[in-house]
This record gives sequence, structure tokens and C-alpha cells, in this order.
Amino acid sequence: GQQLNQSPQSMFIQEGEDVSMNCTSSSIFNTWLWYKQDPGEGPVLLIALYKAGELTSNGRLTAQFGITRKDSFLNISASIPSDVGIYFCAGQRSGGSNYKLTFGKGTLLTVNP
Amino acid sequence: DAGITQSPRHKVTETGTPVTLRCHQTENHRYMYWYRQDPGHGLRLIHYSYGVKDTDKGEVSDGYSVSRSKTEDFLLTLESATSSQTSVYFCAISDERRNTGELFFGEGSRLTVL
Repeated sequence: GQQLNQSPQSMFIQEGEDVSMNCTSSSIFNTWLWYKQDPGEGPVLLIALYKAGELTSNGRLTAQFGITRKDSFLNISASIPSDVGIYFCAGQRSGGSNYKLTFGKGTLLTVNP
Repeated sequence: DAGITQSPRHKVTETGTPVTLRCHQTENHRYMYWYRQDPGHGLRLIHYSYGVKDTDKGEVSDGYSVSRSKTEDFLLTLESATSSQTSVYFCAISDERRNTGELFFGEGSRLTVL
């Protein structure tokens, strides 16, 4: 099946540092989404991207939909302890479909106060 | 918060026993999904449903079956549980009217097969 290569697998940073993570694919996606999972909970959507080249911000988070439609990145600025969790990218092949998101394997973020 | 509840939240069972996980939604959404989450694999789709009695397989459907007799309930059944099915299972729903690709997840069901 389709695969998303998400990197890095894990990050250990100091509070206040910026964070960057990305996803790449050999296939084109029409929608890219970034989710965060807090410990013991289900993933929650952070940012959704619908157009190639789109750059979207949500507070300290910024995400971009790659121009080739095969990649996306997520940046977190000035990290804080509550940013700890697993971050997942997800791609959707067709903008008209409501199923079959393909998820990356996740980036585990640890923030040292 | 999206109205999704999963039950049970935790279960320990033995190899060879049947197990059913339940997902209940109060949002009246058409699409429902079952994912499993395992270290090193992220979230993988098991089965999904696009309406009552309408279901289809995901990428890791072997050993699992599903049923959807009502809009609000989506059941995942392991007919004969194996140790490889030890995992955290997440139900998700999506709103077909918004058509954004956004999934709303439940809190997960942790299954241990001994």
C-alpha cells in the first residue's frame, strides 16, 4: 500500500527551541493533514492543507503542502512542555473522498523544561 | 469534542477467544473507521464503513470483521484473537458534508492478547 515516510522518528529538545518535521511520499496526495496525539488519547487534527504550495499557520504551528504534492512539513516555534506528544502526518488521495487517510509512522516529541 | 465513545477501553484476553470492540457516535456521521496503532507502524486502517451495512477492507483487515447495523454503532470483531492483535485500537468518524478529510478519533481501546 501507499507509504508516507515521516521523519524524524523522535526528537528530544529544550523548551523554547523550534521543531521541524516532514513527510514524503512517492505518490501524490490532494490533501495533507497533521495530527497530534497526547499520551493515552486519540489523535487530534492540528492543520489541514488542501492546495499545493499552501502555507498555513495555527498559532505557533506552521505547515506547508509541498509544490510537488508529494511532501509536507510541520514547524513548531518556541516549543513548550505541552507540545510533548506524537505528531502524525496523513495524506488523502482524493479531495472528494472521506476515507482512507494514509498515516505516517509518527514523530515522538519530547520537550525538556 | 466529537461524540465518540469506545468500549471497552481496556481488555485482556487469551489467544483463541473472540473479542468485540464497540464504537458509538452521536454525530450521525456517515463514515466510520477502525485503526490499530502499533509502535513503529503508526496508524493503520483495518476496516471502514460508508453507511449502514456498507463496509470495506483497509490495509490490515486479515483476522478482523466489522458490522454496522445502525448509523451510530460500528463493531470490530476478532473471531479468534492472536497475540499479534495486541494493540491499541482507535475508532474514527468523518463528516461527509464538510469533505475536509478530517477524522475525529475516539480515545482508544487497549487490547492485550496473552
